[in-house]
Amino acid sequence: DAGVTQSPTHLIKTRGQQVTLRCSPKSGHDTVSWYQQALGQGPQFIFQYYEEEERQRGNFPDRFSGHQFPNYSSELNVNALLLGDSALYLCASSFFGTANSPLHFGNGTRLTVT
Amino acid sequence: AQSVAQPEDQVNVAEGNPLTVKCTYSVSGNPYLFWYVQYPNRGLQFLLKYITGDNLVKGSYGFEAEFNKSQTSFHLKKPSALVSDSALYFCAVRDRLGGTYKYIFGTGTRLKVLA
Repeated sequence: DAGVTQSPTHLIKTRGQQVTLRCSPKSGHDTVSWYQQALGQGPQFIFQYYEEEERQRGNFPDRFSGHQFPNYSSELNVNALLLGDSALYLCASSFFGTANSPLHFGNGTRLTVT
Repeated sequence: AQSVAQPEDQVNVAEGNPLTVKCTYSVSGNPYLFWYVQYPNRGLQFLLKYITGDNLVKGSYGFEAEFNKSQTSFHLKKPSALVSDSALYFCAVRDRLGGTYKYIFGTGTRLKVLA
């Protein structure tokens, strides 16, 4: 049973560039959430996708956008990168129909912006 | 707004001793509380959750947590710590909005178990 997989594991970008991060949810899950974890901080909610729509969004600028595909996988796009966007980006999946089940996290993508 | 607080940045405990990692919460309505652990360069792994029912919740790897409504706390405990328990621990509360929800995490507590 494959867990949540994220790619790439590491990424180095320059200020002003754009980046796309990818996530495949755990088998049987249909909802994907993205979190940003800055160094020494707890994860911060970016947004959640279900049925290919953004269902809820955290306090992040619209430089952060996403997409969910029919196979439930998801992408996180960040435009006009800033140094402050350097962080571990975590994807988490769940099944929408069981609200009490915990989130399952991938190992994250470490983004460094120089 | 829902929130959790982890008052200790780091907890040190000797191997074999009991450990406690503290978490307090602030929610409107019934709290849905979780504990996660993070090892270096890894994602978060689920340990346990409190939704309703018994105040003492048992989870993975011998961990348990005590829900205390009057003190608005949800402390993580283990009777006998292992060196391999050394990691970063996060408390979280589920914040429901309409038909969806998000998790709000604390700032984390680094647990160091000394041999």
